[in-house]
Formats: sequence, C-alpha cells, structure tokens
Amino acid sequence: DLQMTQSPSTLSASVGDRVTITCRASQSIRKYLAWYQQQAGKAPKLLIYEASSLKSGVPSRFSGSGFGTEFTLTISSLQPDDFATYYCQHYDGYPWTFGQGTKLEIE
Amino acid sequence: QVHLVESGGGVVQPGGSLRLSCAASGFSFNTFGMHWVRQTPGKGLEWVAFIRKDGSIKYQEGSVKGRFTISRDSSKNTLYLQLNDLRPEDTAVYYCAKDDPVFDYWGQGTLVTVSS
Repeated sequence: DLQMTQSPSTLSASVGDRVTITCRASQSIRKYLAWYQQQAGKAPKLLIYEASSLKSGVPSRFSGSGFGTEFTLTISSLQPDDFATYYCQHYDGYPWTFGQGTKLEIE
Repeated sequence: QVHLVESGGGVVQPGGSLRLSCAASGFSFNTFGMHWVRQTPGKGLEWVAFIRKDGSIKYQEGSVKGRFTISRDSSKNTLYLQLNDLRPEDTAVYYCAKDDPVFDYWGQGTLVTVSS
C-alpha cells in the first residue's frame, strides 16, 4: 500500500513563527493530497485539498504546495488556535492513507 | 450546513459485535460516497471503509475485511458500519466522513472499546 510519511513528528514554535510541515508519498499521488487539522478531543477538519487549494473559510496564513511525492504545509504566522496536530492524506484512490501526524506545540 | 452525527459506540467484549450509525443532514446524501475512519487512543488516523453514493462499490481496510461491513440507507440519510468479531486492537474513536472526493466533513466520532 501507498505510505505517507510526515516530518517532523513534533514541532515546537511560538506565536508569530512561520512553520513548515513536510509530507512524502511512497509513490506519485499527483495532486491528490489533503491536509487536516485536529484539535485535541475533536474531529479532524479539512484545511487544504489538491495539495494547494484552501478550503473556504480557512485563514490565508495556511498554504500548501507540492506535486507527485513531496508536499508541504506552511503556516505563515502562527496564531494560538493553530497549536494542534496536522495530518496529510492521499486520496488518489483506494486505500486512502494518512500520515502519522505532526503535533505543533507551543515553545 | 453539513452535519454528521455518529452513534452506537460502547464497550464490548472480544468477539462481540456493534453497529455504528452516522446520521447525515445538510446535503444530498445519495449523491456522495461516505467513509469510516478510526483513531486509536493517542494515535493517528486510519481509514476503515468506503461506500459509493449508490452503494454499488464498497472497500474495506485489510485488517477489517470479513469482519466489518459498511452500508447505507438513503431513505434515512444514514450510514452504517457493522462491526463483528471485535478485537482489542479495534478500540478507537470511529468517525464518518463525507467524500467529495476529499474528506471534506467529519462527524464528532463515537468511541468503541473492546475489552473483557
């Protein structure tokens, strides 16, 4: 099965910092990569789809890029509400798989 | 607005069964595929099962094949997951999610605990 690998697993940062999370697919998934944010105790929420398209209502400080096997999620200026766990996921067909997650912590 | 509400979770002994439900509202249920995704305590997300909008195609993750069955009832706008022969490693929060084709909306989840 296609594997999704995120790095880092944990990231410590401060409000106002710019941070980047990387996601690597074990084979090409073209542009079919999504990013989700999960706050503690809550369901995941879609942030970005097709690698770089922002879901309506998501703040513009979130951005995504990449194609094929290498993807990044960037938060340009961290806000308090952004400290959460982030998951990438491919949806280029069955079986759908998620990265292991990146926990963004307050430094 | 889209609303997905799971129910049916609980505590069950190994080898037991449960049926999870996901009540959908705010969108045309019979025009979208649906997924179940689970999350083990303190761990990441694992896709479990998918059903096409008309129920004609179903996929399951390898470790649940033959034990879990996904189904839907468009007259009730409800998605189901029948869980049989449950194992301790099936303990997780189970989420339903709408397929578009990205998982654009999720329910709040229902907890399944498999323990003797």
